[in-house]
Amino acid sequence: QLQLVQSGAEVKKPGSSVKVSCKASGGSFNSYGLNWVRQAPGQGLEWTGGITPIFGIETHAQVFQGRVTIYVDESTNTAYMEVRSLRHEDTAIYYCASGAFDHWGQGTLVTVSS
Amino acid sequence: QSALTQTPSASGSPGQSVTISCTGTSSDVGASKHVSWYQQKPGKAPRLMIYEVNERPSGVPDRFSGSKSGNTASLTVSGLQPDDEADYYCSSYAGSNDYVFGTGTRVTVL
Repeated sequence: QLQLVQSGAEVKKPGSSVKVSCKASGGSFNSYGLNWVRQAPGQGLEWTGGITPIFGIETHAQVFQGRVTIYVDESTNTAYMEVRSLRHEDTAIYYCASGAFDHWGQGTLVTVSS
Repeated sequence: QSALTQTPSASGSPGQSVTISCTGTSSDVGASKHVSWYQQKPGKAPRLMIYEVNERPSGVPDRFSGSKSGNTASLTVSGLQPDDEADYYCSSYAGSNDYVFGTGTRVTVL
């Protein structure tokens, strides 16, 4: 059974960067694929990007073009999502999920505040 | 990619059925078998309830069912129970390895 455990909450200033991690156990991202989904306070779910299984193709939602990097460290079975040039509106809970969205991490709150 | 459109709220009494709709376009819901539904309770991560339009993951009660017609997908919860009270989101594959979520529906059990 795949389990995903994410890193802890972060507080960042506008213009800075944040890197959120997601460690998998019971399976590999190479087999399952990976998605990142965020949820702003009181708002709905928003797909931000992911990596496809097998071929490992990285893709991002258009709203994040150029500001997001998603990658997997296969040696530690840990996925990362880095968001650069943070804006106040990037404040959200960031979830990692398997490629099929059937397994989810517990979420990481990223607060962007000056 | 615009969010899929869901009615903001739905409600029903215990034992009744409630149906939630999710409207997209011919580029996402209308073009894909990869339409899913998620249940989210306060402070928790979403839980997959339906995938590939009408398939249930192991452990999801058969009271939950999905369907699709054209650009609109639907989730029906039959035999409504108090524990079904939650926010429900749809999602669809939108091509080019992209996904889009719905705006969410809050289901209240009266």
